[in-house]
Amino acid sequence: QSALTQPRSVSGSPGQSVTLSCTGTSSDVGAYTYVSWYQQHPGKAPKLVISEVSKRPSGVPDRFSGSKSGNTASLTISGLQAEDEADYYCCSYAGTYTYVVFGGGTKLTVL
Amino acid sequence: EVQLVESGGGLVQPGGSLRLSCTASAFTFNSYSMNWVRQAPGKGLEWVSYISSSSRTIYYADSVKGRFTISRDNAKNSLSLQMNSLRAEDTAVYYCARESQWFIFMDVWGQGTTVTVSS
Repeated sequence: QSALTQPRSVSGSPGQSVTLSCTGTSSDVGAYTYVSWYQQHPGKAPKLVISEVSKRPSGVPDRFSGSKSGNTASLTISGLQAEDEADYYCCSYAGTYTYVVFGGGTKLTVL
Repeated sequence: EVQLVESGGGLVQPGGSLRLSCTASAFTFNSYSMNWVRQAPGKGLEWVSYISSSSRTIYYADSVKGRFTISRDNAKNSLSLQMNSLRAEDTAVYYCARESQWFIFMDVWGQGTTVTVSS
């Protein structure tokens, strides 16, 4: 059950766009459309921001978007705002028994 | 408001046992699969266990297989995680998380309960 690979940190200035990557394998990210992204502020519970690769739950700003190409999924945040500063985790279904695997997380810093 | 509230965390010695609970409210608990996810201090999220709405299907991460047991009581809107043979590396905040009814993602999370395994 290897974790998905995410960059440790990404930064951007207010108003800019940033893209967070999440690399898996043909057994998880590459095999299914069940890739989700979670935002976590310090000391808080994770919050779903993207489901099924690119679907945005109700209440999540349309500045958040998701995509996937091959074994790599991406989360793009446009028009960066200070409140977007958080840790972001990707997660993918990985089949029966393994079930789901998370990425190691990316710390987003808004400069 | 849809809510999950975990309880049961605490300090336990290596080799000891602990039982975590998660109480659900404001949604039809018996219609949803549930998960436990943990986060070690300063580390990322790690999926721990899954249970289907009927308890018919259960999965565990390799790191806890044979030591942890997930269960649920739909009559009491309650999810549990029995943790035995605890190790220092089990120290973490444990979250219960509701799985979407039709797809594989976790749409509601509790606030977490802290488990510390130390002598």
